[in-house]
Amino acid sequence: DIQLTQSPSSLSASVGGRVTITCRASQSIISYLSWYQQKPGKAPKLLIFGASSLQGGVPSRFSGSGSGTDFTLNISSLQPEDFATYYCQQGYISPPTFGQGTRVEIK
Amino acid sequence: EVQLVESGGGLVQPGRSLRLSCAVSGFTFDDYAMHWVRQAPGKGLEWVSSISWNSNYIGYADSVKGRFTISRDNAKSSLYLQMNSLRAEDMALYYCAKDRNSYFYRWYLDLWGRGTLVTVSS
Repeated sequence: DIQLTQSPSSLSASVGGRVTITCRASQSIISYLSWYQQKPGKAPKLLIFGASSLQGGVPSRFSGSGSGTDFTLNISSLQPEDFATYYCQQGYISPPTFGQGTRVEIK
Repeated sequence: EVQLVESGGGLVQPGRSLRLSCAVSGFTFDDYAMHWVRQAPGKGLEWVSSISWNSNYIGYADSVKGRFTISRDNAKSSLYLQMNSLRAEDMALYYCAKDRNSYFYRWYLDLWGRGTLVTVSS
């Protein structure tokens, strides 16, 4: 199975700040990577698919980049509603696998 | 309004069975592949199973293969997960999720239900 390693596991950031989360795959997944946001007690929400395509309705402050094994989720100006846990997920080879998550907390 | 509503979870003894359902509304159910994803308490996300729009393609995680069966009824806009021989490690919140595509070749899960909790305990 392809392993996805996210870093950091958690971070503290201020409203208005910039956040970068990385996801590294154990082998190339081309660009078949998604990012999800999950708030406590809620279902995950798709933010980015295909490494860099923004899902409809997702604010443009979210962006994704990368290819091969290294990927990045950026939040350009953190808003109060962005405090959540973020997961990457690969869709290149079955089984689809998720990273362990990155918790973004208020500083 | 687009909705995916899971049901069927509950407390079950190890070795017993449970059938989860996911009722869908607000989009054309038979245009899309569907998935089950679970999340153990305080843990991350784990893919369980996927089914194509026409049920011709089905996939399972190794951890559930041979014990769980995914199915769908397009006439009823419903997705199911039959879970047999349940184990303590199957205890989780089970989410139903929609794929962006008719087949699950890239697993882009763009809509999720709120989940149904399965507790496995004697």
